[in-house]
Parts: sequence; structure tokens; C-alpha cells
Amino acid sequence: AQSVSQHNHHVILSEAASLELGCNYSYGGTVNLFWYVQYPGQHLQLLLKYFSGDPLVKGIKGFEAEFIKSKFSFNLRKPSVQWSDTAEYFCAVNVGAAGNKLTFGGGTRVLVKP
Amino acid sequence: DTEVTQTPKHLVMGMTNKKSLKCEQHMGHRAMYWYKQKAKKPPELMFVYSYEKLSINESVPSRFSPECPNSSLLNLHLHALQPEDSALYLCASSQGVSLNTEAFFGQGTRLTVV
Repeated sequence: AQSVSQHNHHVILSEAASLELGCNYSYGGTVNLFWYVQYPGQHLQLLLKYFSGDPLVKGIKGFEAEFIKSKFSFNLRKPSVQWSDTAEYFCAVNVGAAGNKLTFGGGTRVLVKP
Repeated sequence: DTEVTQTPKHLVMGMTNKKSLKCEQHMGHRAMYWYKQKAKKPPELMFVYSYEKLSINESVPSRFSPECPNSSLLNLHLHALQPEDSALYLCASSQGVSLNTEAFFGQGTRLTVV
């Protein structure tokens, strides 16, 4: 079965700092990759997704992610964070082998200090 | 309309109660899902419905009983739950169950079993 690992459980940074969250997955075939964000008290929202094509994906709110197939990685980046980026971030993988079954990483809690 | 609507938002129930969680989407999606999210953990898949038929049951105890009355509605019937079943229950939908589709999540029902 596929698995998803997020390297950091908690990240604390100041406004305007750059953010990079790591995500690695274990599956050798075709995958769909996602980053979801969950703001405090809110539902999961899709930040960006990779299905195929350009491995550098741009999402909402200035986020981007790069798919590196050889490293089984899909790291999330934002050049300059804001206080409003305080949230929990989940990487997720769908291998499509048994339906649209998302497997989530453990999540990274990001706290941006004003 | 890109919303998945879940009701109720909060539910407190006793271990002998019977209750139901409801989920609705009007995006014409033909796949709907129930996920369970414990505190400080990622969402975990419970059930997948594809074209109103149950296609995946992730070995969920029978005290959770899903139902898909039509393509827009998904219910989760609860009976004789345990305190450890307290969690955020998330509904999601997608166009289909194949690769290259994204899931849209509702805000969830926060369930407390007392």
C-alpha cells in the first residue's frame, strides 16, 4: 500500500520568511499528488494538484510545488509567508488503483508569527 | 456551486443513540466519500460511493452504516458508537473515481460520543 511522509510536524516562522514543506510518497506507478490546507476551524481546501505535465505546479495564494519523480517527492513552497498562512498542511496521494482513494501524510502545522 | 454541505456541524450523542450525518453536493459529481479525522491526525478514508454504489469499505465497523439515496446525497448512519469514535467526519465528492480528478471536502461534522 502507498504511504505519504511529511518531514516536519511543526514549523514556526516569521512573516516574509520563505516556507518549504517536504512530502515523499512510496508508490512506483502513476500518481496524482495534492496539497491541501486546513485553516483553524475550517474545511480542507485544495492548494494545488499535480496530474501530469509540467512538474512545477502553481496553486492558490502564492503556493507552488515541484514534483520530482526520481525522488518520489512533491515539496510545497511559498517565497514569503503571511500571518494568514497559519494552518495545517496535508500532502495527499491518489494512485487510482482502487478508486479515488486519497492517502494523506501526517500533516504539518505551520505557525507564522506576525 | 463548488460546495459540499454537511449537517449537522456539531453532534453530541450517547452510546445508545442512533443518529445520522448528512452530506449534499450539487456539482454533478458521481463519487462521494466519508473520511474520519481524529484530533491532530490526517483524514482517513472510510467509504467510497461510485454512481450510488458502495465501492470501497475500509474495514469500517458495522456501527457506521453509509447510505447513498441519490447522486447528490450521502448519509452516514451511526448506532451504538464508542467514545473513541469521537472525531471530525468529513464528506467529499469528485467527478469520478479514476485518476485525474480532485476531491472537494465539506466542513465536516464534529462528533462527540459520550
